[in-house]
Amino acid sequence: KQEVTQIPAALSVPEGENLVLNCSFTDSAIYNLQWFRQDPGKGLTSLLLIQSSQREQTSGRLNASLDKSSGRSTLYIAASQPGDSATYLCAVRPDSGYALNFGKGTSLLVTP
Amino acid sequence: GAGVSQSPSNKVTEKGKDVELRCDPISGHTALYWYRQSLGQGLEFLIYFQGNSAPDKSGLPSDRFSAERTGGSVSTLTIQRTQQEDSAVYLCASSLTLRGLTEAFFGQGTRLTVV
Repeated sequence: KQEVTQIPAALSVPEGENLVLNCSFTDSAIYNLQWFRQDPGKGLTSLLLIQSSQREQTSGRLNASLDKSSGRSTLYIAASQPGDSATYLCAVRPDSGYALNFGKGTSLLVTP
Repeated sequence: GAGVSQSPSNKVTEKGKDVELRCDPISGHTALYWYRQSLGQGLEFLIYFQGNSAPDKSGLPSDRFSAERTGGSVSTLTIQRTQQEDSAVYLCASSLTLRGLTEAFFGQGTRLTVV
């Protein structure tokens, strides 16, 4: 069974810092990996989608990398802002299935 | 519509009552998923619909839970004889595979509280 782990569980940084969120998964047979953002009491917003054949994806200040063979992905946030405060979730879609397997998320607080 | 729409956004029900949660996927998306997010827990897969294929119900926690998808679009998740442990946020997602890319989009969720 695919296990997805996100470290750290919580992170607090001052505004302007660059930061890295980590995601690891136990089964490297994945189709793709998706990073989401969840604001309190809200649904999930898709941030970045990385296909298994890709190494990284970028969107604005966000950069996600994927090392499929070692079962790891990182989400890099440049020049963090208070508006980045949210929970960030990593999810993997298996090669032989469709249900996304989620980590428990990293709760990020960016202080002014 | 522009995104996945879920209703109601909040539902408070008495223990033992039945509830229905609704999901309107993004128009044209063939796949629809239901997930449950309990306090302090990760997202738990419940059920998956793809086109006209038989749904994958392997994630449903008990036979009190059922779901249907009518006309390949709107889906309803029904919980019968609700229990307090059913309290959670129920999230619906839809996706479409295009040129090998499958990206899931989620609704805002229905927060269910069983009292």
